[in-house]
Amino acid sequence: DAGVIQSPRHEVTEMGQEVTLRCKPISGHNSLFWYRQTMMRGLELLIYFNNNVPIDDSGMPEDRFSAKMPNASFSTLKIQPSEPRDSAVYFCASSPDQGAEAFFGQGTRLTVV
Amino acid sequence: AQTVTQSQPEMSVQEAETVTLSCTYDTSENNYYLFWYKQPPSRQMILVIRQEAYKQQNATENRFSVNFQKAAKSFSLKISDSQLGDTAMYFCAFTPMNRDDKIIFGKGTRLHILP
Repeated sequence: DAGVIQSPRHEVTEMGQEVTLRCKPISGHNSLFWYRQTMMRGLELLIYFNNNVPIDDSGMPEDRFSAKMPNASFSTLKIQPSEPRDSAVYFCASSPDQGAEAFFGQGTRLTVV
Repeated sequence: AQTVTQSQPEMSVQEAETVTLSCTYDTSENNYYLFWYKQPPSRQMILVIRQEAYKQQNATENRFSVNFQKAAKSFSLKISDSQLGDTAMYFCAFTPMNRDDKIIFGKGTRLHILP
């Protein structure tokens, strides 16, 4: 299996632009997580899905952030409009079962200038 | 609220030494899982070791072992015979057995293995 695949690996955008991050989880995994990593705040859980349904989005910082999972093999995290303080590494992870560990993608480094 | 605390932001040890990373957590759950993840400079998050709360025996994975103290809500990671390749950020994580909840991470400990 190729593991969790995220795209793009790096994204540089101007403030005010829309940014879409993409994730393909491992086939057969039921849960999908979006995390944001910064030096100041560490790894923050933004949202997670179980069987394509959003379960907890309390970590989504503002209405500018939205996430979708239209099917079991694809999820997106959108920021509109983007701001410099959104600059971070965004990780997608998937998990097969209750209590199983999360398998992480390689992350997307987002820089908003 | 469930929390994970790593009290050591950064540590350095000499190669071949043994090092212990601390982690405490807070939960009212009785059944849960604990993990240690490693994040080397490549940024990839790698699972190091996993512990089920219902198991009294401490998990071991080659040079990595844990000291799980359920009553104290403590879950430390011991790295024996440390190697240069162990240099990384280490995250402690918690998840309840009920999957309708999240995997919660501590803020991490940056470990430097010195030659």
